[in-house]
Amino acid sequence: GAVVSQHPSWVICKSGTSVKIECRSLDFQATTMFWYRQFPKQSLMLMATSNEGSKATYEQGVEKDKFLINHASLTLSTLTVTSAHPEDSSFYICSLSGLDTVEQYFGPGTRLTVT
Amino acid sequence: GDSVTQMEGPVTLSEEAFLTINCTYTATGYPSLFWYVQYPGEGLQLLLKATKADDKGSNKGFEATYRKETTSFHLEKGSVQVSDSAVYFCALTASGNTPLVFGKGTRLSVIA
Repeated sequence: GAVVSQHPSWVICKSGTSVKIECRSLDFQATTMFWYRQFPKQSLMLMATSNEGSKATYEQGVEKDKFLINHASLTLSTLTVTSAHPEDSSFYICSLSGLDTVEQYFGPGTRLTVT
Repeated sequence: GDSVTQMEGPVTLSEEAFLTINCTYTATGYPSLFWYVQYPGEGLQLLLKATKADDKGSNKGFEATYRKETTSFHLEKGSVQVSDSAVYFCALTASGNTPLVFGKGTRLSVIA
């Protein structure tokens, strides 16, 4: 399967600052990328879907101006949490898929803590 | 819409015990079915998959069979190990470019 990396793996930031999380596919052409968030002991909640070169499609209840997603290439997507608040503290996970595959490949996740 | 229901946890088993984690789904069409595993502090790893009815996915001693008649995809392992302790997610998707629909996850703890 594809190798997916996320950077940073964990980050602590102050309330009101912005944080950028990168999701990279090291060996796979990702036509579609997904961003999820996961609270402790809960399942993954889809935030948005992005196709390379297109604007992301956000799930209901996810603020697109707060969670900025850029899918600039087939190997890179970024999630920027703008003006972060403590309630944004969570585990953010990206996944990707490509043409002719039903599988999604997940990154290792980024733990965000907003103080 | 599509949905996945899996048994509530946590599940605690002794080493070498038999494991079953039930998963049923509701979907239009013929989805692909997956089991993912998440170890503490990590992302999800694909454990096994099945893309059509009667397919059996298997990996690392785990198995699951795509049962269209019962809309189920139960996960089984004959003899669990302490290293199998993790959270297991059942999921489905209509295609690779559509999001996965996850169950709530089942936490498994295996004690020596």
